[in-house]
Amino acid sequence: NAGVTQTPKFQVLKTGQSMTLQCAQDMNHEYMSWYRQDPGMGLRLIHYSVGAGITDQGEVPNGYNVSRSTTEDFPLRLLSAAPSQTSVYFCASSYSGGISGNTIYFGEGSWLTVV
Amino acid sequence: AQSVTQLDSHVSVSEGTPVLLRCNYSSSYSPSLFWYVQHPNKGLQLLLKYTSAATLVKGINGFEAEFKKSETSFHLTKPSAHMSDAAEYFCVVSPKYNNNDMRFGAGTRLTVKP
Repeated sequence: NAGVTQTPKFQVLKTGQSMTLQCAQDMNHEYMSWYRQDPGMGLRLIHYSVGAGITDQGEVPNGYNVSRSTTEDFPLRLLSAAPSQTSVYFCASSYSGGISGNTIYFGEGSWLTVV
Repeated sequence: AQSVTQLDSHVSVSEGTPVLLRCNYSSSYSPSLFWYVQHPNKGLQLLLKYTSAATLVKGINGFEAEFKKSETSFHLTKPSAHMSDAAEYFCVVSPKYNNNDMRFGAGTRLTVKP
């Protein structure tokens, strides 16, 4: 059982480039989300999805785009990378996000550096 | 609005001694509270959660936490530290019926000395 799989694990981008972080889960979870982790700030929610075809913004959505065409996949797109987007990105999933207390499963992270 | 304050950015203990990681929360409604652990270069793993049942919550690996509404605290404890407990720990608060507004503390790095 793979759980939540993120690719790539490491990426270096130049300012202005675009890229997509991939996320896939094999647990048939309705809820998926993307977080970024910065030193001394914990994790902050970027975007989330409560099911295929439904996405919404989190706490820090600017500069990022998402889509959810299937239950399994939830890619995160950086439209024009900026140094401020240097961070560690985590994808997560759970059963219905509408019920708090459901265990959220995290991927192992993607380290992104924008130069 | 809700927020979490982890009172110590770094805690160092000796193996076999008790662990106390402190967390205070602020929430305008009845919250759910979680502790997650993150080992180096890994994702986050749920240690335990409080949703609305018993105020003393037991988690994996011998950890437990007590929800104290009067003190708005949810401190994480373990009677005896093990070397494998060395990691980053995050306290998290969310509204009881909405995982979409989880707020993470800044984290506490636990070091365990032999």
